[in-house]
Amino acid sequence: EAQVTQNPRYLITVTGKKLTVTCSQNMNHEYMSWYRQDPGLGLRQIYYSMNVEVTDKGDVPEGYKVSRKEKRNFPLILESPSPNQTSLYFCASSRWTGGTYEQYFGPGTRLTVT
Amino acid sequence: DAKTTQPTSMDCAEGRAANLPCNHSTISGNEYVYWYRQIHSQGPQYIIHGLKNNETNEMASLIITEDRKSSTLILPHATLRDTAVYYCIVSQAADQTGANNLFFGTGTRLTVIP
Repeated sequence: EAQVTQNPRYLITVTGKKLTVTCSQNMNHEYMSWYRQDPGLGLRQIYYSMNVEVTDKGDVPEGYKVSRKEKRNFPLILESPSPNQTSLYFCASSRWTGGTYEQYFGPGTRLTVT
Repeated sequence: DAKTTQPTSMDCAEGRAANLPCNHSTISGNEYVYWYRQIHSQGPQYIIHGLKNNETNEMASLIITEDRKSSTLILPHATLRDTAVYYCIVSQAADQTGANNLFFGTGTRLTVIP
């Protein structure tokens, strides 16, 4: 089954404790991205990756890192989490349709930083 | 920044067609109209997209006005499982080497009533 998976689905952590949220897709897509969703703000893009070893900042990259060492994986790293990074996070993988992208989203990771 | 305007909420009777409007009066010639939906904090789900012509797939139809300043997403026979937040998004066409950052605003909350 074609899918995007994220782990963990739920995480409660404390300020300053490094964490990684994993994202994996089995569709051989080149384009992947991370979003965060906050009430009243919709989804905002954090980082995206056009291909292996190619990443770039989205709209709200501060406090986050990413890496793309393999095509299927795109982990999101919070080196020193803070309470304002409490949010619902989505990873997305995109299929090129010859003019635009269709994005396929993972199930989400709900992160709470205390 | 939001380029679209959608009603905050709508109701639709089960089995009837749900017509979700979207205004995008500042759309430019190379911008696509996308529709996604999000069911109760799950990952957003791609529905359909279009440039100029009306489009139909197994999920929905997209009707774009001739001047492209507005569009309507049609779910032909709404079911209870269609209750979700529906996002209308306008975004530039991407080439395969470019970013595809979709701005998700606050969308329309569609409630399908039994």
